[in-house]
Amino acid sequence: GQNIDQPTEMTATEGAIVQINCTYQTSGFNGLFWYQQHAGEAPTFLSYNVLDGLEEKGRFSSFLSRSKGYSYLLLKELQMKDSASYLCAVREHGRGNKLSFGAGTTVTVRA
Amino acid sequence: GAVVSQHPSWVICKSGTSVKIECRSLDFQATTMFWYRQFPKQSLMLMATSNEGSKATYEQGVEKDKFLINHASLTLSTLTVTSAHPEDSSFYICSARDQEVENEQFFGPGTRLTVL
Repeated sequence: GQNIDQPTEMTATEGAIVQINCTYQTSGFNGLFWYQQHAGEAPTFLSYNVLDGLEEKGRFSSFLSRSKGYSYLLLKELQMKDSASYLCAVREHGRGNKLSFGAGTTVTVRA
Repeated sequence: GAVVSQHPSWVICKSGTSVKIECRSLDFQATTMFWYRQFPKQSLMLMATSNEGSKATYEQGVEKDKFLINHASLTLSTLTVTSAHPEDSSFYICSARDQEVENEQFFGPGTRLTVL
């Protein structure tokens, strides 16, 4: 099975940086995904890591350490529109490559 | 990125009726589609995996006779909630995996179901 943990809520100021951590326990790890979800909308893909290290995409970066079962999503130069829920999801070989989602971290950006 | 559509975007129905939700991949072929349910302030819970031309695989605790899934073509999957009850009220989201690009799952906009 898989246990995916991430903080429930985070608050930051516009222009600042926020780091959302995600820890997981799984067998047959086959990738970690980050999604952004605004209230009442479907998730949108942000990043994908399957090897250790940092993936950078504009203001968003994601890091993975497979040995530690740990990932983080880094949001830089925060904007008001970044206020949303951020979902960490793990894909496993043993589950037919299905995604299992964490409960999500609600990020609130304040002016 | 690839586009997945869902119809309807919201529906209100009476208890005991059935509701069908369609999920379409608009510009790619999806051999696999997934159906999720999300209750307020909770994460997405996978209900079933739908493979084109074969029976869906349901997650533990999901009633296959209540949530009927049909994946008739590479671009269309449907979820029918039969004999809906108020506790079935939820946000239903489908996603599709591009058979050419397996690293991404593209999500539909979701369907808000309210059962009175």
